[in-house]
Amino acid sequence: AQLVQSGAEVKKPGASVKVSCEGSGFTFGNYGFNWVRQAPGQGLEWMGRITVYNGNTRYAQKFHDRITVTTDASRNVVHMELRSLKSEDTAMYFCARDGTQYDSGSYLGYWGQGTLVTVSS
Amino acid sequence: SYVLTQPPSVSVAPGQTARITCGGDNIGGKSVHWYQQKPGQAPVVVVYDDSDRPEGIPERLSGSNSGNTATLTISRVEAGDEADYYCQVWDRGTDHYVFGSGTKVTVL
Repeated sequence: AQLVQSGAEVKKPGASVKVSCEGSGFTFGNYGFNWVRQAPGQGLEWMGRITVYNGNTRYAQKFHDRITVTTDASRNVVHMELRSLKSEDTAMYFCARDGTQYDSGSYLGYWGQGTLVTVSS
Repeated sequence: SYVLTQPPSVSVAPGQTARITCGGDNIGGKSVHWYQQKPGQAPVVVVYDDSDRPEGIPERLSGSNSGNTATLTISRVEAGDEADYYCQVWDRGTDHYVFGSGTKVTVL
């Protein structure tokens, strides 16, 4: 299994960013996918998830009004859009696949390489 | 929201045992997962469902979970174990994932 994310982004405050994550080597539709971010020198922060098999999404309260996670299952891709960017959103953004199929509470078994998003005027 | 508490750092000499704790309200009733992250790399799961190890993770890394504390134990510590370690649970009430603040393990 492999997850490959889109490339680094530089955005101005107030803009939006959309990060993509393409999966291969497994049955994409059987899993949930999460987005986790890590600000420079800081810890891991869960942002939200989508379960491809039923289309359900869940978002952390901190981001719920600024984030949208979608999937294009025909292309084995998950997207995360974050709007109204602030300098504090500068971070590495990771997608991570559930470790087990059809399991809402699974561990995160596979991670993408990360996408650096820089927010600066 | 559910909170997981980890010590910021643990130092250990090579060959000794490191224990990293993860505290949470009745965490023993949840499944705890542990991730290792080395500088510049994505996290890797090293223990899942309290005490299971993915293929390729050495038996020196083990997990336990009871009451209000989960523990990741690294036996016979090696220089390559130096990394940040994070615990994580799924909060059934909110259907949200929660990470601990992370523990930096330093090999002396």
